[in-house]
Amino acid sequence: AQSVTQLDSQVPVFEEAPVELRCNYSSSVSVYLFWYVQYPNQGLQLLLKYLSGSTLVKGINGFEAEFNKSQTSFHLRKPSVHISDTAEYFCAVDSSYKLIFGSGTRLLVRP
Amino acid sequence: DVKVTQSSRYLVKRTGEKVFLECVQDMDHENMFWYRQDPGLGLRLIYFSYDVKMKEKGDIPEGYSVSREKKERFSLILESASTNQTSMYLCASRYSKNYGYTFGSGTRLTVV
Repeated sequence: AQSVTQLDSQVPVFEEAPVELRCNYSSSVSVYLFWYVQYPNQGLQLLLKYLSGSTLVKGINGFEAEFNKSQTSFHLRKPSVHISDTAEYFCAVDSSYKLIFGSGTRLLVRP
Repeated sequence: DVKVTQSSRYLVKRTGEKVFLECVQDMDHENMFWYRQDPGLGLRLIYFSYDVKMKEKGDIPEGYSVSREKKERFSLILESASTNQTSMYLCASRYSKNYGYTFGSGTRLTVV
């Protein structure tokens, strides 16, 4: 069965610093991978997705992620974060009729 | 843009009540999903539907049922609400397999 691991439950970072949120997946077949963001008391919003092609995927709000098949990873990065990026971030892998979500990483951006 | 609308943002219900959570999407999506989200547990799939009148159990279906009579509407039913069903409920839809989800804004249900 496919699974997703987000190793960090919380990542504190100062404003304008770079950030990386880690995601590892387990799958023996071709994968489709997603990152979602959730702001307080809201639903989840799609940040970016990898379906095929270039392993570097660019998303909204300046985020990007790199698909690494050999390391089964799909880490999310941003070169310079803003206070408004404070939110919870979820990595997900497509599994047949549904997405499998990681447990989430809370990004806390401090001034 | 696709819109997924959940009828209530906040609900307070009493133990034993029958509760209906409604979800409507406006872009002819085939697949619809209900998740609950709890601190430290992430998103857990309750039920999903890949077509009208079709439904499949997710990881935690106990205490819940669903209805999908029309393609655009997917209802989650708590037959007899209990305090351990206090949670954030998220509805999502997607066009078909391998497409990302579009989520509703969520319903925060409190059972007292």
